[in-house]
Amino acid sequence: DAGVIQSPRHEVTEMGQEVTLRCKPISGHDYLFWYRQTMMRGLELLIYFNNNVPIDDSGMPEDRFSAKMPNASFSTLKIQPSEPRDSAVYFCASSNRVAGENEQFFGPGTRLTVL
Amino acid sequence: GENVEQHPSTLSVQEGDSAVIKCTYSDSASNYFPWYKQELGKRPQLIIDIRSNVGEKKDQRIAVTLNKTAKHFSLHITETQPEDSAVYFCAASMTSYDKVIFGPGTSLSVIP
Repeated sequence: DAGVIQSPRHEVTEMGQEVTLRCKPISGHDYLFWYRQTMMRGLELLIYFNNNVPIDDSGMPEDRFSAKMPNASFSTLKIQPSEPRDSAVYFCASSNRVAGENEQFFGPGTRLTVL
Repeated sequence: GENVEQHPSTLSVQEGDSAVIKCTYSDSASNYFPWYKQELGKRPQLIIDIRSNVGEKKDQRIAVTLNKTAKHFSLHITETQPEDSAVYFCAASMTSYDKVIFGPGTSLSVIP
């Protein structure tokens, strides 16, 4: 398996622009998590899905952030409009509850820079 | 909600020495405690985990201990090597599959 796939790996945009981050979880995994990592705030859980359904979005910082999971193999995290303080590394992770596993497998991350 | 604290924030040890990272959690219902290692510029990866029905778990040079009464758990790395240099995150969750709350991380440097 290729593991969790994220795109793009790097994104540089200007303040006010819309940003869309993409994630493909490991095939067969039923949980998907979106995290944001910064030096100041560490690793923060933004939202997670179970079987494509959002379970907890309490970590989403503002209404400018939205996430969707239209099917089991694809999820997006959208920021509209983007702001410089959104600059961070965004990780997607997936896990396989059905198989009784607990480990979260992280993707390589998307490094977002908002100018 | 759950809150996880971690100490120290940075740790430097000589190669071959031991390293200990300590964490505390707030929610007594938490019963799953994973540890992740993140090398510079890389993704976090699980290195070991422990459940509340176990007090200690060991995997080669890495061991974790859990004190549920005190709500403390620790990571012990023996015979440290330069490749152990990374940021280590402890975490806690209420169920095995619920959201995982991460500690702020410990940056470990192993000096050759």
